Amino acid sequence: NSKVIQTPRYLVKGQGQKAKMRCIPEKGHPVVFWYQQNKNNEFKFLINFQNQEVLQQIDMTEKRFSAECPSNSPCSLEIQSSEAGDSALYLCASSLDRGANTEVFFGKGTRLTVV
Amino acid sequence: GDSVTQTEGLVTLTEGLPVMLNCTYQTIYSNPFLFWYVQHLNESPRLLLKSFTDNKRTEHQGFHATLHKSSSSFHLQKSSAQLSDSALYYCALSDRANTNKVVFGTGTRLQVLP
Repeated sequence: NSKVIQTPRYLVKGQGQKAKMRCIPEKGHPVVFWYQQNKNNEFKFLINFQNQEVLQQIDMTEKRFSAECPSNSPCSLEIQSSEAGDSALYLCASSLDRGANTEVFFGKGTRLTVV
Repeated sequence: GDSVTQTEGLVTLTEGLPVMLNCTYQTIYSNPFLFWYVQHLNESPRLLLKSFTDNKRTEHQGFHATLHKSSSSFHLQKSSAQLSDSALYYCALSDRANTNKVVFGTGTRLQVLP
């Protein structure tokens, strides 16, 4: 069973509101990913970190999201101003290293509904 | 950039029949790593199997797949489907040139009927 912990499991926000979700990666995993899984179950990569450093992020994340992985605190992903299209399951995942063959472990996700 | 294609959105078959879920990929890198992840209802995705060796069969939990670089394919197979195999299956790709993210296909829902 995955030991990646995501909170909250469910989040309901109005349009324009901030939406913040948190993730505790598996112990000892320095690499953290955020993916958005839409209603068609498609994965969209958002951002990833190694320790506190951002490795890569997409344009949308850079403009509308705020994400961080501070030391000794949970990682977080925050949508600054929620839109209806942001309604999705947000999956956090972690891995032991950046190696291409490294397994990624997923949390159970935060399901965001923007009303 | 890298991409993964899973042509079937839904595969429905009867218990006991063989399973084959298609996966093809595109990458400029010659040594990609391919994965199959499985996501059961209300569960998070978890790794089913992985491979990076050309033409070598890899197996786990009754499923198997062989990476064929000549055809850029990594199809998932099982000889006999079980009801408990009903789930979403994602093919995924990573490579040494772009190890910062794993690229997922759009997923195939496998529905096994009694």
